[in-house]
Amino acid sequence: KAGVTQTPRYLIKTRGQQVTLSCSPISGHRSVSWYQQTPGQGLQFLFEYFSETQRNKGNFPGRFSGRQFSNSRSEMNVSTLELGDSALYLCASRKQGAGNEQFFGPGTRLTVL
Amino acid sequence: GENVEQHPSTLSVQEGDSAVIKCTYSDSASNYFPWYKQELGKRPQLIIDIRSNVGEKKDQRIAVTLNKTAKHFSLHITETQPEDSAVYFCAASKGGGFKTIFGAGTRLFVKA
Repeated sequence: KAGVTQTPRYLIKTRGQQVTLSCSPISGHRSVSWYQQTPGQGLQFLFEYFSETQRNKGNFPGRFSGRQFSNSRSEMNVSTLELGDSALYLCASRKQGAGNEQFFGPGTRLTVL
Repeated sequence: GENVEQHPSTLSVQEGDSAVIKCTYSDSASNYFPWYKQELGKRPQLIIDIRSNVGEKKDQRIAVTLNKTAKHFSLHITETQPEDSAVYFCAASKGGGFKTIFGAGTRLFVKA
């Protein structure tokens, strides 16, 4: 079974631009979560989608948004990029059910210049 | 708000020694506590997890303990090996586990 994939793997943008990241979950997994990883901050929860609905949201500004498609693939968008948005963005998928393991993708490394 | 504190941020041990990482969570409704290992340049991977109806769980050299009253949980690695060197993250979630709050991570160095 193929793992979680993310595209692109690397991205360089300038301040003020916007960016869209993509995540394809493991087949059969309908829940997709997004995390921002920066040195010293660990993994910060962005949001979680299930069946095309956002069920949970972290404490990030409205510039961060996402969506999920009927095939469970998810996209994350960041508008008006700031230098502080430079980070590794990880998505993770899981099966429906309490406490099921999250499987992470390789991440997208975003650099904002 | 929900928060998970993790200590220490860095831990250095000699090969063969034990390593202990401690976490504290704020939301008493949390009921699922996974631990992830992230090697340099790789994605986080689950190494062990525990649910709130269990006080301890062991898997070979790795064990996790949970104290619900104190809202503490800990990871214990015995007989450490150089390949245990990585960043370890604790996490807590509740309900269906769909909002997972991670600790800031512990960088473990195992010296040969």
